[in-house]
Amino acid sequence: EAQVTQNPRYLITVTGKKLTVTCSQNMNHEYMSWYRQDPGLGLRQIYYSMNVEVTDKGDVPEGYKVSRKEKRNFPLILESPSPNQTSLYFCASSFVGAETEAFFGQGTRLTVV
Amino acid sequence: GESVGLHLPTLSVQEGDNSIINCAYSNSASDYFIWYKQESGKGPQFIIDIRSNMDKRQGQRVTVLLNKTVKHLSLQIAATQPGDSAVYFCAENKASGGGADGLTFGKGTHLIIQP
Repeated sequence: EAQVTQNPRYLITVTGKKLTVTCSQNMNHEYMSWYRQDPGLGLRQIYYSMNVEVTDKGDVPEGYKVSRKEKRNFPLILESPSPNQTSLYFCASSFVGAETEAFFGQGTRLTVV
Repeated sequence: GESVGLHLPTLSVQEGDNSIINCAYSNSASDYFIWYKQESGKGPQFIIDIRSNMDKRQGQRVTVLLNKTVKHLSLQIAATQPGDSAVYFCAENKASGGGADGLTFGKGTHLIIQP
């Protein structure tokens, strides 16, 4: 089954404790991206990657890092999480040239206390 | 600035009626405009897109209309069903020529289907 898998689905952590949210896709997509979804603000892009070892900032990259060492994986790293990073995070993937038809993961609900 | 927004946060319709969800945009340079559906507890799901040089595109029970004169996008859902209950987002593809800056989403409209 074609899918984008995020882990964990739910996470509660404390301020300053480094964490990683993993994202994996099995569709051989070149393009992967991370979004955060907040009430009243919709989805905002954090980072994206057009292929292995190619990453770029989205609209709200501050406080986040990503890496793309393999085509299928695109982890999101919070080196020092803060409460304002409490949000619902989505990973998405697509073929380059077909970015409008993105496949989204189920989401990761992160709470930073 | 660039923005994609929706006119109403909530839309309630009777089952079987047609629904129209509206969206305004400000970035005339976008190549594509897209509609996504997000059901409770799930990630957004692609419904339909329309290229900026078109004014209408039809899918299965859905039609997207693009009015570039007034920068308005709408999604029409025919004969709404309980499974259509969700939040609907309009989005635009920021890059042109097949590039991949990503999608800019509006804030969403919650479609509620009344039995």
